[in-house]
Amino acid sequence: GQSLEQPSEVTAVEGAIVQINCTYQTSGFYGLSWYQQHDGGAPTFLSYNALDGLEETGRFSSFLSRSDSYGYLLLQELQMKDSASYFCAVRGNMDTGRRALTFGSGTRLQVQP
Amino acid sequence: DGGITQSPKYLFRKEGQNVTLSCEQNLNHDAMYWYRQDPGQGLRLIYYSQIVNDFQKGDIAEGYSVSREKKESFPLTVTSAQKNPTAFYLCASRWGTSGTTGELFFGEGSRLTVL
Repeated sequence: GQSLEQPSEVTAVEGAIVQINCTYQTSGFYGLSWYQQHDGGAPTFLSYNALDGLEETGRFSSFLSRSDSYGYLLLQELQMKDSASYFCAVRGNMDTGRRALTFGSGTRLQVQP
Repeated sequence: DGGITQSPKYLFRKEGQNVTLSCEQNLNHDAMYWYRQDPGQGLRLIYYSQIVNDFQKGDIAEGYSVSREKKESFPLTVTSAQKNPTAFYLCASRWGTSGTTGELFFGEGSRLTVL
């Protein structure tokens, strides 16, 4: 099956830069996604990497290296509102034909003043 | 406004009872999904549907059932066979094969508590 590992918690201060890593054991997937979820809320889409390399969307960037089975989400100029859980997810499984996202267990980010 | 509506938001159930969670979308999305989330955990796939009248089991389908009779609707029934049903249930949808990012749009969730 597909499995993804993330650190359970990360703490950073306002204005800083933080990197949330995601390592996975799967192959044949279409891409790596990142979602943000505030407590009690619905996950919202942040970023997607279909190819290796860096994708930048405002303060957020995401990186994928298929050869290293690794990706990360980079958050710059942290704000208090960035305190949330962040999930990486692989899209699809070319081996099984499954066309659904498989999520990691999530990283809880606490931004301190 | 387009979106995904889940109901009820909170639901209490006695052991041994079946319960159905509603999920409706007006985004004209082809694919719909049900995920379960336990406290401090990630999202686990229960069932998904790529088109009307077709659906596939996810990783934790046992004790759950779904139907997809209309494009807009994908209800989830939590049966008495589900041994630990207390959880936060999230419904999501996305465009079909034309979507480039596979972005999922989520509803606000239904929180089920078994008494």
